[in-house]
This record gives sequence, structure tokens and C-alpha cells, in this order.
Amino acid sequence: NAGVTQTPKFRILKIGQSMTLQCTQDMNHNYMYWYRQDPGMGLKLIYYSVGAGITDKGEVPNGYNVSRSTTEDFPLRLELAAPSQTSVYFCASSYSTSGRFTSYEQYFGPGTRLTVT
Amino acid sequence: AQSVTQLDSQVPVFEEAPVELRCNYSSSVSVYLFWYVQYPNQGLQLLLKYLSGSTLVESINGFEAEFNKSQTSFHLRKPSVHISDTAEYFCAVSVGGGSNYKLTFGKGTLLTVNP
Repeated sequence: NAGVTQTPKFRILKIGQSMTLQCTQDMNHNYMYWYRQDPGMGLKLIYYSVGAGITDKGEVPNGYNVSRSTTEDFPLRLELAAPSQTSVYFCASSYSTSGRFTSYEQYFGPGTRLTVT
Repeated sequence: AQSVTQLDSQVPVFEEAPVELRCNYSSSVSVYLFWYVQYPNQGLQLLLKYLSGSTLVESINGFEAEFNKSQTSFHLRKPSVHISDTAEYFCAVSVGGGSNYKLTFGKGTLLTVNP
């Protein structure tokens, strides 16, 4: 059970380039999230998904896109990289139901450190 | 909308000293509260959580936090810290009801334990 895995660990992009950050979880969690972490700012939610085929914007979605074709995968796409997107990106997952059982706990991946120059 | 305030951005302490990391939240509805820890160059790990029941919750490595509804606080404490507790600590809140799967994080408190 690997939990939440993210690739790549590090990446340097030039302004205007595009890339996809990969996130996979093997816990059969229905909810998945993308956050960015900037020094002294905590974590900000970029996008989240409540199940395959369903995504929604978080607090800071501009400049990013997501898709969720399977339960396991939740890639984050940067189309035109900008210096303001230099950050550490974390993917997370959790399990929640409409019934009595909800874990509430979010499990985080190890992060992707992205630099845009 | 809910918000989380961590009152100290950095807390330096000596080994074996007690520590308190402060967290206040604002929400008009019932909340679930969490403390996460982030060791250098790693992702976040859940340290402890309050969902309901006893207002004092404990972690396996000696931390505890107390939910105080009247003061809207969820401060984290440890009576005697170790060098290995050096990390960044994040307080987070999710509201009850339909949006309880989303977390709002504080800006974090960097705990540095010195020998």
C-alpha cells in the first residue's frame, strides 16, 4: 500500500511551458485534492474532486486544470507556466460518505517542488 | 466562510521544555479540527483530530490538544519536547454538513527544538 504518490519530485519550467503533475492513490479514496504551499502562507486548495468525473475549483484555481477519469488518478495541468506558480504542490486524498462513516483525515503525498523561471 | 489563525509563525524552545502552539478558528457552525505535522521535505501527516466527544485529544507521541468552543481555540501542547519534534505544524478546520471534506489550513507554526 503506497498511499499517495506524486511525480515528479522536482521540476524547473520556463515561462510559458506546460506540464502535468501526476498524483495516484491506492487507498480507493473517493475524494482527492490539490494544494499549493508557499512559505509562510500555509496550504491553499487549488482543485478537488469528489469522485471520478467530478471536479470543482478550490480557493486558487487560476492557471490550473484538472481531470479525474479514474478513482486512482488526479493529474494537475499547468498550461502556461508563470513565475507566480513557483511553489510546492501537494496532492491528498480522503474517504467520505453520506452515511455515518467518514474518515475526515486527508492523506498527503510527498509533494512536487516546481520552479518557473 | 471559516478561517484559521495560528498566532505564532515560529516557536523556538529548548529540549525537554513544554510547548504550546496556538490555533484559533472562526466558524458559525460546528467544526472538525485537526493538527497536521510536516517534517522537512516531506508531506503533511495527521497528528490528531477532534470530531466530537471528549474535548481533549491526544496523539501517540505525547502531543495533546483541547477543543474550547467558547474561545474557538484548539491549542496544541506537549509537556516535554524532543529534538525530533522539530517540524512545521498546521492547524486545520472543516465545517460540518455537506462540505466537511474540505479543509482550511492555518499558515503554520515552525517549532524548532534546540539542544
